[in-house]
Amino acid sequence: GQNIDQPTEMTATEGAIVQINCTYQTSGFNGLFWYQQHAGEAPTFLSYNVLDGLEEKGRFSSFLSRSKGYSYLLLKELQMKDSASYLCAVRDSNYQLIWGAGTKLIIKP
Amino acid sequence: ETGVTQTPRHLVMGMTNKKSLKCEQHLGHNAMYWYKQSAKKPLELMFVYSLEERVENNSVPSRFSPECPNSSHLFLHLHTLQPEDSALYLCASSPQGPGGQTYGYTFGSGTRLTVV
Repeated sequence: GQNIDQPTEMTATEGAIVQINCTYQTSGFNGLFWYQQHAGEAPTFLSYNVLDGLEEKGRFSSFLSRSKGYSYLLLKELQMKDSASYLCAVRDSNYQLIWGAGTKLIIKP
Repeated sequence: ETGVTQTPRHLVMGMTNKKSLKCEQHLGHNAMYWYKQSAKKPLELMFVYSLEERVENNSVPSRFSPECPNSSHLFLHLHTLQPEDSALYLCASSPQGPGGQTYGYTFGSGTRLTVV
């Protein structure tokens, strides 16, 4: 079966750095997405990786290793507004998105 | 505002009621989706419409009935629901390539449904 694993919840301190991991086992691979979802709001697109390596976008970076079935989202200089759920999703060989259950990130002052 | 609008934001309905959820996008996307989001579970794909034709129905109970009258609007008709159907229902849209490749999704804010 197809599976995406990510931690259920993480806590970090304002101003610090946090890394949210995602491992996947899917039928084929055509890209990996990270979405951010604040409580009661729509998931919003953060990043897309299809080749191995690091993609940097401001305070957020996303890394992919296809051989290991592994990705992480790195958030730097954490702000209170970064408190949200972070969803990892992989596009499989049929171009369908397989979703993880999301990681709830709690930022403390 | 993400470009995908869902109404209502909140809905409480009895098990014998009939209600409908509405989704609207004016992004020019040609694919639309209904997802169910339950606490601590992955997003569950319910229905996919591409160019107004249903292309996927993931074994969803018949008490959920989708309708896509045009490429900008999507409905989810609900009847005789069960308490376990209480969840956040998300609509999304995306552009699709000529081979059916799905590109980035834009989500609506969802309808929080409570079945009593």
